[in-house]
Amino acid sequence: EVQLVESGGGLVKPGSSLKLSCVASGFTFSSYGMHWIRQAPKKGLEWIALIYYDSSNKYYADSVKGRFTISRDNSKNTLYLEMNSLRSEDTAMYYCANLGYWGQGVMVTVSS
Amino acid sequence: DIVLTQAPLSVSVTPGESASISCRSSKSLLSSKGITSLYWYLQKPGKSPQLLIYRMSNLASGVPDRFSGSGSETDFTLKISKVETEDVGVYYCAQFLEYPYTFGAGTKLELK
Repeated sequence: EVQLVESGGGLVKPGSSLKLSCVASGFTFSSYGMHWIRQAPKKGLEWIALIYYDSSNKYYADSVKGRFTISRDNSKNTLYLEMNSLRSEDTAMYYCANLGYWGQGVMVTVSS
Repeated sequence: DIVLTQAPLSVSVTPGESASISCRSSKSLLSSKGITSLYWYLQKPGKSPQLLIYRMSNLASGVPDRFSGSGSETDFTLKISKVETEDVGVYYCAQFLEYPYTFGAGTKLELK
C-alpha cells in the first residue's frame, strides 16, 4: 500500500522558516519525481514544486521561487520542503504527491 | 502559464443519473510524444485529492469504471455515469505538460 506521510507543519510568524518532511512507502520512491502541492483554506490546489527522481532537476512556482527549496533523500525515502521568508499567503495545507498518490497533508499557518 | 477553465463550478445530481464536467485549456496539452497530459482528481470532503483519470482518458487503479475521461488537445470532459453518494466532492482537472503545472478551479458535485 502506497503511503505518503507529511510532517513538520505548524504556526509560525511572518518571516520565519519551516521545513516539511514527507516519508514515502509502498513504492520505489527513488524512481519517481515528487511534488509539493498546497491548498489555502477554502481554496483550490496550487502546485508549488517538483524534484526529479534523482534530484537532477527542480522546478518551482513563481510564488515560492527563491524562498522555498525542494530536496529529497532516496536512502531515507523522504521528500523535504524548506520554506524561508514565510508570508501570510503561504498559509495552506501542504501535500506531497507523486501525482498518482497524495499524502494526508500538513497544515502551515503563518500569522503574527 | 496554462489556464484551465472548468465548468460548471457547481453541479447538483440525482443519484443514479449522469454528470459531466468540462475543462478547457488555454493551450494544447498534447506533448511531442503524443501524450495528452490532462489529469482528473476528486477531493472528497476533508480528504486529500485522489487520482481518477490520467493522460486524459486512462482510468486510475481502483477507480470505478463509472468514471471516464475524453477530449481533444484543449477541451476535456470527465463523465460520471450513475452517480453514487460516494462521488460527492470537488473535482479538479490538472495539466502536467508545462511548468508551472496548473489546476482548474474545481467543480463541486452535490447530490439532489
